Amino acid sequence: KQEVTQIPAALSVPEGENLVLNCSFTDSAIYNLQWFRQDPGKGLTSLLLIQSSQREQTSGRLNASLDKSSGRSTLYIAASQPGDSATYLCAVRKSAGNNRKLIWGLGTSLAVNP
Amino acid sequence: DGGITQSPKYLFRKEGQNVTLSCEQNLNHDAMYWYRQDPGQGLRLIYYSQIVNDFQKGDIAEGYSVSREKKESFPLTVTSAQKNPTAFYLCASSSLAGNNEQFFGPGTRLTVL
Repeated sequence: KQEVTQIPAALSVPEGENLVLNCSFTDSAIYNLQWFRQDPGKGLTSLLLIQSSQREQTSGRLNASLDKSSGRSTLYIAASQPGDSATYLCAVRKSAGNNRKLIWGLGTSLAVNP
Repeated sequence: DGGITQSPKYLFRKEGQNVTLSCEQNLNHDAMYWYRQDPGQGLRLIYYSQIVNDFQKGDIAEGYSVSREKKESFPLTVTSAQKNPTAFYLCASSSLAGNNEQFFGPGTRLTVL
């Protein structure tokens, strides 16, 4: 059974710091992995999606990597800003075909302090 | 502006009442999803639909019902049979082609009084 874990559960850093959020999964047979951001009381915003055949994806100050063999993905945030404060969630899609179910981690709550 | 809308933003329900949460998308996506989010728990899938007039139960479908009469719309009814309905409800959609990236609406917070 696929399980997704995000460590740490909460992180507080000073503004300007580079930081890494971790996501691990127990079954390496994944189709893709998606990173989301959620602000308090809001919906989820898709940040990056990595296909199983890819090693990384970049968008602006964000870089997500994927190592299927070790069951890990990291989200790297460069030069963090107070506006990056949010909860970051990762989700794994198990397989191709009709099963499009996502398996979710519990998220990392990030606070970037001015 | 393309996106997913959910209404209302806040909803209060008395015990024993059914309520319906609205979800509309103009992204031309075939697939739509309903999730429930509770503090300290990951998102849980309630129902999903991949085509008009067809839908499948997710992990926690008991006490909920859905319909998919139009491609753009996927309303969720929370029935009186749902024992603990207070939660944040999120609707999402995705294309069935390509990478199936899921996009989310702003959510509806349901509180049972």
